[in-house]
Amino acid sequence: GAVVSQHPSRVICKSGTSVKIECRSLDFQATTMFWYRQFPKQSLMLMATSNEGSKATYEQGVEKDKFLINHASLTLSTLTVTSAHPEDSSFYICSARGGGHSSSYNEQFFGPGTRLTVL
Amino acid sequence: GESVGLHLPTLSVQEGDNSIINCAYSNSASDYFIWYKQESGKGPQFIIDIRSNMDKRQGQRVTVLLNKTVKHLSLQIAATQPGDSAVYFCAENEPGNTPLVFGKGTRLSVIA
Repeated sequence: GAVVSQHPSRVICKSGTSVKIECRSLDFQATTMFWYRQFPKQSLMLMATSNEGSKATYEQGVEKDKFLINHASLTLSTLTVTSAHPEDSSFYICSARGGGHSSSYNEQFFGPGTRLTVL
Repeated sequence: GESVGLHLPTLSVQEGDNSIINCAYSNSASDYFIWYKQESGKGPQFIIDIRSNMDKRQGQRVTVLLNKTVKHLSLQIAATQPGDSAVYFCAENEPGNTPLVFGKGTRLSVIA
């Protein structure tokens, strides 16, 4: 299957700083990327959907000014957590869809996740 | 046996036994369903999928059953191995370019 990478895999930051997480589709063009957040012992919760070249669509309860999403190219989307606080500590997972590897089933390919810890 | 904790229910099985993990989905418009395996600290790993025009699909050691009448999905793992220990999520998808929505998940613990 197609490969999605995330960088960094782990990040520890101080409260009040901003953190950028990159999500790349390595061997296909991702017309749509999704960002999920997962707290310990819980499921993946969708944060936002972004289409290349368009503004992201955020799920209810997700602050768009706090979680900035940029999908500037067909292989890269970034999530920036601005003014991070300890409650933002979580596992952030991106997912990509579209391009040469997409099937008629609209398969989503997932990245390995980024563990954010805010002190 | 099966227990329900504060967040993730846990299913404990003996090595070599068959496992059955259940999932209730909510959206009657969903037409595509996937089971994922997630190990600690990693992203979801695709296991098997099924379309709504099917009620059963088999893979290697895994079978997915879909009951659209009661909106129920199950994952059967044959001859469960220690490497199967993980959290399993079902996910559903509506037609079109919509995101996957994940179920609550079940932790499978294999006892050697």
